[in-house]
Amino acid sequence: DIQMTQSPSSLSASVGDRVTITCRASQGITNDLAWYQHQPGKAPRRLIFRASNLQSGVPSRFSGRGSETEFTLIISSLQPDDFAIYFCLQHYTFPPTFGGGTKVEIK
Amino acid sequence: EVRLVQSGAEVKKPGESLKISCLGSGYNFPIYWIGWVRQMPGKGMEWMGVIYVGDSDTRYSPSFQGQVTISADKSISTAYLQWSSLKASDTGIYYCVRQVGATTGAVDFWGQGTLVSVSS
Repeated sequence: DIQMTQSPSSLSASVGDRVTITCRASQGITNDLAWYQHQPGKAPRRLIFRASNLQSGVPSRFSGRGSETEFTLIISSLQPDDFAIYFCLQHYTFPPTFGGGTKVEIK
Repeated sequence: EVRLVQSGAEVKKPGESLKISCLGSGYNFPIYWIGWVRQMPGKGMEWMGVIYVGDSDTRYSPSFQGQVTISADKSISTAYLQWSSLKASDTGIYYCVRQVGATTGAVDFWGQGTLVSVSS
């Protein structure tokens, strides 16, 4: 299975901060990676697909970059509703595998 | 609007059987794959397996082969995950997801999760 290493596992940030989260794949996965936001009690929501494509309805402060083995999710200006857990998912090979998640907390 | 609505939380004893469900709406349910994902307490997510609803073609991750059964009933737009004999280590949150196109397709929608607690 492809291993997805996500960092950091948690971070504290303030409203307005720029936040960067990284996922590294143990082998190349082209751009078969998505980013999700998970708020307590809710279904996870896809933010980015194919590494850099913004899901319809998702604010433009979210963006994704990368290919093959290194990927980044950027929140350009953190908003109160953005405090949540973020995780990546590769679907290049079966079974799909997940990053360990990043908990974004209020500083 | 695409929705995946899962059945409610379950509290079970070791050795009991269980079947949880995932009801899809807002799209043509049979032409998509439905996957199941486990999240154990305090841990990351794990892919369990996936079913193509149209013909019930099912694929399991090696770790879950023989441990669970995934099925679907396209006539009622519902997918299922079942255990014949639960263990305490099956405790966790289980999510259904919609996967597009193939077993390596993108995952676009998630259910809200079903909490399964197994304890004597």
